[in-house]
Amino acid sequence: RKEVEQDPGPFNVPEGATVAFNCTYSNSASQSFFWYRQDCRKEPKLLMSVYSSGNEDGRFTAQLNRASQYISLLIRDSKLSDSATYLCVVIPLRDYKLSFGAGTTVTVRA
Amino acid sequence: DVKVTQSSRYLVKRTGEKVFLECVQDMDHENMFWYRQDPGLGLRLIYFSYDVKMKEKGDIPEGYSVSREKKERFSLILESASTNQTSMYLCASLGAGGTDTQYFGPGTRLTVL
Repeated sequence: RKEVEQDPGPFNVPEGATVAFNCTYSNSASQSFFWYRQDCRKEPKLLMSVYSSGNEDGRFTAQLNRASQYISLLIRDSKLSDSATYLCVVIPLRDYKLSFGAGTTVTVRA
Repeated sequence: DVKVTQSSRYLVKRTGEKVFLECVQDMDHENMFWYRQDPGLGLRLIYFSYDVKMKEKGDIPEGYSVSREKKERFSLILESASTNQTSMYLCASLGAGGTDTQYFGPGTRLTVL
């Protein structure tokens, strides 16, 4: 079983729609969680950290469910510029090794 | 502005050649990483280093070695390149805080013929 699993998508949504997707992790000792965004042929860049209480950054909302071992990302009012691959990242306690999901591709169409 | 740079964006090598990929960061970070990224497999950790001259194997170290002689520089070496090492290689660095952001270089797309 992979340490971090994501639905690869693609999620094809119209502009203005809401899109949400999850990422499951297998290591219950995981401590830190992040969502990264990767544009085509570019390097991954941090989108947002995921906190236990859930957090928002503009149109993006991240949630953590420790009991079921998943994190989620919700994008409201999708823009064309939101088209990208979203990578889920998990870090175990006292470790610097990040575990990456394979990514969820989102395509926002006009 | 945070900077992680890699020596080449695109590289084409022949089977059996020795290949050096260099990564330099200007953030005084202790931790540096080499990943490869392949479609459907995501990023897989090859090696990482938490200090000068220190290195640890990641999940897929076979066929690779690394060198960290200076804090800012982390090199990935393919001793004898093979076609299955054709991939996108990403270098990253991370501060000592552990919960800091991991910053990536732009990547090197290596093709082994």
